[in-house]
Amino acid sequence: DSGVTQTPKHLITATGQRVTLRCSPRSGDLSVYWYQQSLDQGLQFLIQYYNGEERAKGNILERFSAQQFPDLHSELNLSSLELGDSALYFCASSVNRDRGPNTGELFFGEGSRLTVL
Amino acid sequence: KNQVEQSPQSLIILEGKNCTLQCNYTVSPFSNLRWYKQDTGRGPVSLTIMTFSENTKSNGRYTATLDADTKQSSLHITASQLSDSASYICVVRGGGGGGADGLTFGKGTHLIIQP
Repeated sequence: DSGVTQTPKHLITATGQRVTLRCSPRSGDLSVYWYQQSLDQGLQFLIQYYNGEERAKGNILERFSAQQFPDLHSELNLSSLELGDSALYFCASSVNRDRGPNTGELFFGEGSRLTVL
Repeated sequence: KNQVEQSPQSLIILEGKNCTLQCNYTVSPFSNLRWYKQDTGRGPVSLTIMTFSENTKSNGRYTATLDADTKQSSLHITASQLSDSASYICVVRGGGGGGADGLTFGKGTHLIIQP
């Protein structure tokens, strides 16, 4: 158990709809990352937040947005969904002041599997 | 541009056999290299981390090597077990920081162990 919690685990929706994925990082972790993994593909970096502020942006579509709240949990919003958005969405966390220097290790949740029909 | 290339893309071996996965990178400056194991439908989990001064590190039946001069790393699995079936992802951290903490991901090697 990595300590990172993602909900929902599975989500089936229709094209054109909007969904929200939620992530609770490990206790005390300040950074949250979102990754997309399509079938048999590698992990594609979407966006990173650090202590409530956007830190880095990857290949995130304009239809997607994210935020990190004061309690450090994060949400990824996907709108105007298309068939190609079907994928596993992973949240990861890292950077904890109480656990020593940051070596870059990411702790991943179990993912949210999104199916767009 | 920072890149991480892994080979082979996929590999099938019989249970009990050994195998070696490769990772070549162009990330500079280099901070560390990490191997993750991702079981099907699960989140990746770190197996080992290699820093500039380390050549070899073992974690049970997994042994990672690093050649910082040629910018290559390998992950050797000894006496494979069915539970080793997974994707193995090489992630290199650049010393210059930058987006997503300077992390560059490989696409992974998909390993299948057959009984």
